[in-house]
Amino acid sequence: AQKVTQAQTEISVVEKEDVTLDCVYETRDTTYYLFWYKQPPSGELVFLIRRNSFDEQNEISGRYSWNFQKSTSSFNFTITASQVVDSAVYFCALSGGGFGNEKLTFGTGTRLTIIP
Amino acid sequence: ETGVTQTPRHLVMGMTNKKSLKCEQHLGHNAMYWYKQSAKKPLELMFVYNFKEQTENNSVPSRFSPECPNSSHLFLHLHTLQPEDSALYLCASSQDKLGGLAGELFFGEGSRLTVL
Repeated sequence: AQKVTQAQTEISVVEKEDVTLDCVYETRDTTYYLFWYKQPPSGELVFLIRRNSFDEQNEISGRYSWNFQKSTSSFNFTITASQVVDSAVYFCALSGGGFGNEKLTFGTGTRLTIIP
Repeated sequence: ETGVTQTPRHLVMGMTNKKSLKCEQHLGHNAMYWYKQSAKKPLELMFVYNFKEQTENNSVPSRFSPECPNSSHLFLHLHTLQPEDSALYLCASSQDKLGGLAGELFFGEGSRLTVL
């Protein structure tokens, strides 16, 4: 069975601070994908990143960076120099390789509030 | 037009009512999904349609009845709901449901349902 744990329910930081959102996963699949989604107040989830299990390179996209560590089954997300527009609920998700979207397992989300 | 549109955005209904949620995608995708988002719970996949055929019913009670007349439209018919069914219902689409594009879902803004 797959499981995604986001232990941080809510985080508040002052604007311009860096913040890291934690994600720990469990799976028996040897091939799998990890994702982060952002849900702003408007409601729709927005896809941020997909990482496959064979690619442990960290990725940076502007102020966003992701740290994938297979040894600790973690896929953490860091926002550098946070901005008010980053306020949202962030979801980590896991999909078993080859099973498609019907096996996408989401965490419970972390609500991030950036204080101006 | 936005990629995935859901109507209504808000719905209040009694337990004996019959109502429907509508989802329309303008992305040319072949797979569509219904998810349920309840407070402090992971997103729950309810139904998956691929090329208009239902490929997943995640043990959803029969009081929820999906309909997919074509690849662009998805409905969720509601009848004799319970108060615990109150939640945000999210529609999503993807190019297809296969693993190669797993996880890159495009979500609508959701329909906030309240059952009295």
